[in-house]
Amino acid sequence: GENVEQHPSTLSVQEGDSAVIKCTYSDSASNYFPWYKQELGKRPQLIIDIRSNVGEKKDQRIAVTLNKTAKHFSLHITETQPEDSAVYFCAASVWGSQGNLIFGKGTKLSVKP
Amino acid sequence: GAGVSQSPRYKVAKRGQDVALRCDPISGHVSLFWYQQALGQGPEFLTYFQNEAQLDKSGLPSDRFFAERPEGSVSTLKIQRTQQEDSAVYLCASSLGTGWEKLFFGSGTQLSVL
Repeated sequence: GENVEQHPSTLSVQEGDSAVIKCTYSDSASNYFPWYKQELGKRPQLIIDIRSNVGEKKDQRIAVTLNKTAKHFSLHITETQPEDSAVYFCAASVWGSQGNLIFGKGTKLSVKP
Repeated sequence: GAGVSQSPRYKVAKRGQDVALRCDPISGHVSLFWYQQALGQGPEFLTYFQNEAQLDKSGLPSDRFFAERPEGSVSTLKIQRTQQEDSAVYLCASSLGTGWEKLFFGSGTQLSVL
């Protein structure tokens, strides 16, 4: 089955700096890669997702890149703000109803003002 | 409703008790998922429904875990004879379509088994 590895487990940056979180996956059939943000004590919320037919997707200060050959994808947050502090989870699945959505173990991002 | 609703928000059970966790998905959402999240870990898949059909229950850790969605909307996750290792946050999520895209999560039920 699919296995998703995520690193680093913790990341601390200064406000205004960029943050990068990386994930690798094992199943070459996976073609859908969402990222979820979970603030302390709250529900995970989807912040961006990408399908394997594109290599990069941007949404304001957030971008995700995908390298299908190497089976890794990354989340990039630019101009970080204190409200970006949260745990971020990557995930991978096969588009549609096959298999299931496998999450990484999460990265705790702390943005220092 | 406006979002996915789960109840109770917190549940304390004595070891050996049965518990039932409820999930109200977003109205009209076809797919419903249950995940288990241990402290400091990512959500781990338990089971998946498409309408009332349980298409995948491969993540249920034992036969003490049972889930249902009889009318294709509200779902209940039941855990029989709870054990300490069942302590976790149980998350429910729903999506409009038939796959894993754009899941909306509930706030979860934090289960503590003493």
